[in-house]
Amino acid sequence: DTGVSQNPRHKITKRGQNVTFRCDPISEHNRLYWYRQTLGQGPEFLTYFQNEAQLEKSRLLSDRFSAERPKGSFSTLEIQRTEQGDSAMYLCASSGQAGGSPLHFGNGTRLTVT
Amino acid sequence: EDQVTQSPEALRLQEGESSSLNCSYTVSGLRGLFWYRQDPGKGPEFLFTLYSAGEEKEKERLKATLTKKESFLHITAPKPEDSATYLCAVQARDYKLSFGAGTTVTVRA
Repeated sequence: DTGVSQNPRHKITKRGQNVTFRCDPISEHNRLYWYRQTLGQGPEFLTYFQNEAQLEKSRLLSDRFSAERPKGSFSTLEIQRTEQGDSAMYLCASSGQAGGSPLHFGNGTRLTVT
Repeated sequence: EDQVTQSPEALRLQEGESSSLNCSYTVSGLRGLFWYRQDPGKGPEFLFTLYSAGEEKEKERLKATLTKKESFLHITAPKPEDSATYLCAVQARDYKLSFGAGTTVTVRA
C-alpha cells in the first residue's frame, strides 16, 4: 500500500493560466474524491468518482474546473483561467466500495495564483 | 444540508493535561463519523470511524465516542507529538464527507 499520491506538491501560476493536477489513488479503491482546503478551514468537497463515472460535482464548483478519471485509475483536476481566489490546497482521497469506508488522503497540491 | 461544527477552535494544553474536543453534527442518513489528524502542509490522516451511537474507539492516547448528535475526541495525558489539527467529518447517504473546521491542539512540554 503506497498510499494516495498527488503531483505536483506545489504549483505557482499567474492569473489566467491553466493548471492540471494528478492523483494516483490506492490501487484497490474504486472511489476517488477531490477536496479543496484553505487556511484555517476544513476540506471542502469538490467532486467524486466511482470507477470512471463522475457521480457528483459541488454546486460551488465553477465551469472553470473539470475532473476526469479515465479507466477508473488515476484522476486529473484541471482549472482553466485561474483566479487568485483559486489559491488553496487541493486534496485527493480514495476509499473502498462499502459505505462508511474511510477516505485516505494524499498530501495535496498547494496552488498559488499570483 | 449536512453540517459539522467543532469546538473549541484552538486548545493549548500542558503535557499530561487531559482534555476533550467536541464535534456536533446534523446529517441525513449517517454512514459514519470520522476523525482525522492533520499536520501542517500534509493531508488529513485517518484516525477512527464511528458508525452508531454508543460506539467508542481507542488508539494510544486518543479515544473517540459517538452520540446521536455529537462526538467527542478525548486526549489522555497528551504529549507534544499530539500537537496537530483534529478534523471531524460525517459521511451521508451520498458517500460525500462533510468536514468541520477543525480544532488545533498545541501541547507544551
